[in-house]
Amino acid sequence: DAKTTQPNSMESNEEEPVHLPCNHSTISGTDYIHWYRQLPSQGPEYVIHGLTSNVNNRMASLAIAEDRKSSTLILHRATLRDAAVYYCIVYNQAGTALIFGKGTTLSVSS
Amino acid sequence: NAGVTQTPKFQVLKTGQSMTLQCAQDMNHEYMSWYRQDPGMGLRLIHYSVGAGITDQGEVPNGYNVSRSTTEDFPLRLLSAAPSQTSVYFCASSSGTGTYEQYFGPGTRLTVT
Repeated sequence: DAKTTQPNSMESNEEEPVHLPCNHSTISGTDYIHWYRQLPSQGPEYVIHGLTSNVNNRMASLAIAEDRKSSTLILHRATLRDAAVYYCIVYNQAGTALIFGKGTTLSVSS
Repeated sequence: NAGVTQTPKFQVLKTGQSMTLQCAQDMNHEYMSWYRQDPGMGLRLIHYSVGAGITDQGEVPNGYNVSRSTTEDFPLRLLSAAPSQTSVYFCASSSGTGTYEQYFGPGTRLTVT
C-alpha cells in the first residue's frame, strides 16, 4: 500500500473550517483514499473515502487532487468534538487490512 | 446490530501468563483484523483474516496467535505474555478491502507486569 505523509498536528477554532492535507505521491490507479479519526480513548472511526472524484458526506468532504498525489479532508465547521487524530490511508482492492501512519492530531479551541 | 464487540475491556497479566482477547462482529463481514496501539503511536497490524479458516500475519505478529473458525469470531491469543505486549488492542471488520469501510471495536487495554 502507498505511503502517506501528514502534518503531525494542526489547530483550529470552533466553528471554523479545517483543511487536513495528505500527500500520497506513490498512489496507484486502483488505490482508494480513506480517512479515519480516533477520538481520545476510543477506537478509530470511518470518516470518508474516495477514488478519483471529490466526495461529501454528513461528517466531512474529501477533495482529491487531479493527479491523485494528494488529498484534503475538509471539516466545514469544527466543533470541540472533532478534536482527534486523523489518519489518511491509501487502501488497495487487493490489500489485506488498513495500514496506519501516525496521523494528524487536530486541536480545536473554543 | 452490536457492531464489533471486544472483551474484556481491561486486563492485567503477569509475565508468562496466557490469555485470549475476544472479538466478535454481527455484520457478516468476511474481513477481520487485530491491531495494537502503543502510547502516542498509530495502530500496527498484528494478524488479519479474509474469511473463516484463513488467517495471515501482519506487521507485528510475534507472540500472538489467531484462528478463525467462524465468520463472527476472531480471537487473539497471547501465548506467554511479556511487558512489551502492554498496549491497547483493537479489532476491526469489514466486507472487503479497497472501497469498504472498516468498523472498529472499543479496544482492550492490556497491562503485563
